Amino acid sequence: DAGVIQSPRHEVTEMGQEVTLRCKPISGHDYLFWYRQTMMRGLELLIYFNNNVPIDDSGMPEDRFSAKMPNASFSTLKIQPSEPRDSAVYFCASSSTGQTTGNTIYFGEGSWLTVV
Amino acid sequence: GENVEQHPSTLSVQEGDSAVIKCTYSDSASNYFPWYKQELGKRPQLIIDIRSNVGEKKDQRIAVTLNKTAKHFSLHITETQPEDSAVYFCAALDRGSTLGRLYFGRGTQLTVWP
Repeated sequence: DAGVIQSPRHEVTEMGQEVTLRCKPISGHDYLFWYRQTMMRGLELLIYFNNNVPIDDSGMPEDRFSAKMPNASFSTLKIQPSEPRDSAVYFCASSSTGQTTGNTIYFGEGSWLTVV
Repeated sequence: GENVEQHPSTLSVQEGDSAVIKCTYSDSASNYFPWYKQELGKRPQLIIDIRSNVGEKKDQRIAVTLNKTAKHFSLHITETQPEDSAVYFCAALDRGSTLGRLYFGRGTQLTVWP
């Protein structure tokens, strides 16, 4: 398996622009997670899905952030409009039975976002 | 929700020495505690985990111990090597809420000097 695939790997954008991050989870995994990593806040869970349905979005920082999972093999995280404080590494991750049973969460390579 | 604290934030050891990283958690209902290793510019990867029904687990040079009464767990790396240099994250699964989410510590930057 190719693992969790994220794109783009790196993005530099101007403040106010829309940013869309994409993720393909490991085939057969039914949980998908979006994390954000910064030096200041560490690893934060933004949102997670089970069978394409959002379960917990309490970590989404504000209305500028939205996430979708239209099917089992694709998810997007959108930031509109972007701000410099959104600069971070965004990780997508997936697992087969979810955090509730403690199975391994596999991370993608991350999308390094810089908003100038 | 769960609160995971991790210490120290940085740790430097000589090659061959042992390294210990400690984490505490707040929710007594948490029952799963994984450890992730993140090398510079890479993704976090699971290196070992422990469930609340055991007190210790070992895998070659790494081991994890769990004290449920005190609500703390530790990562032990013996005979450290330069390739062990990375950021290590502990996490706890919060079963106290209906949503069940992993809470991560802030990470420990381990540097192993040759």
